[in-house]
Amino acid sequence: QKEVEQNSGPLSVPEGAIASLNCTYSDRGSQSFFWYRQYSGKSPELIMSIYSNGDKEDGRFTAQLNKASQYVSLLIRDSQPSDSATYLCAVNDNTGGFKTIFGAGTRLFVKA
Amino acid sequence: GAVVSQHPSWVICKSGTSVKIECRSLDFQATTMFWYRQFPKQSLMLMATSNEGSKATYEQGVEKDKFLINHASLTLSTLTVTSAHPEDSSFYICSAPWDGNEKLFFGSGTQLSVL
Repeated sequence: QKEVEQNSGPLSVPEGAIASLNCTYSDRGSQSFFWYRQYSGKSPELIMSIYSNGDKEDGRFTAQLNKASQYVSLLIRDSQPSDSATYLCAVNDNTGGFKTIFGAGTRLFVKA
Repeated sequence: GAVVSQHPSWVICKSGTSVKIECRSLDFQATTMFWYRQFPKQSLMLMATSNEGSKATYEQGVEKDKFLINHASLTLSTLTVTSAHPEDSSFYICSAPWDGNEKLFFGSGTQLSVL
């Protein structure tokens, strides 16, 4: 069974620090990787997508992908209290049809 | 980004009744939509894939006769929870892939509470 694994946390960082969120996936053939942010009681919101090895930066967010290690990470620089949420790692099922498999999520707390 | 509208946002119903949840893509056409269920502090679990013009595809363990899905048009999919019971209480979320790619845009979710 294809799986996406995340540390559930909570991960607590002080305001202004770098938050590092990690994810591993089981399907070596996966091609598309995503990070979603979910606030409590709300639906997920896409914040990053990455498709090739290396780093991808978007503002304070950097996604990192290492297909050889089947590892995806998300770095949040200058963390703000408003970043406190659950971050879901997601991998597209490579069998097609856009079926996305989600990790259980990592809860992040940014302390003011 | 794309907008997916879902309603109602929350519903409370008695055990044994049926509840319909609507999911609409507001500014794009969605031949495929996905329905997820999320229990507290757990991840999203895909229930079924809704296909416009054809039958939905259900994930293993999801009762298709209990969770009826109708994809009536390119912008509307509905999920009906039939004969709801307290164990069906959950957060139900729809999503649609946008612009032919794999990025998912989610509806705002429906919190269902069955008494």
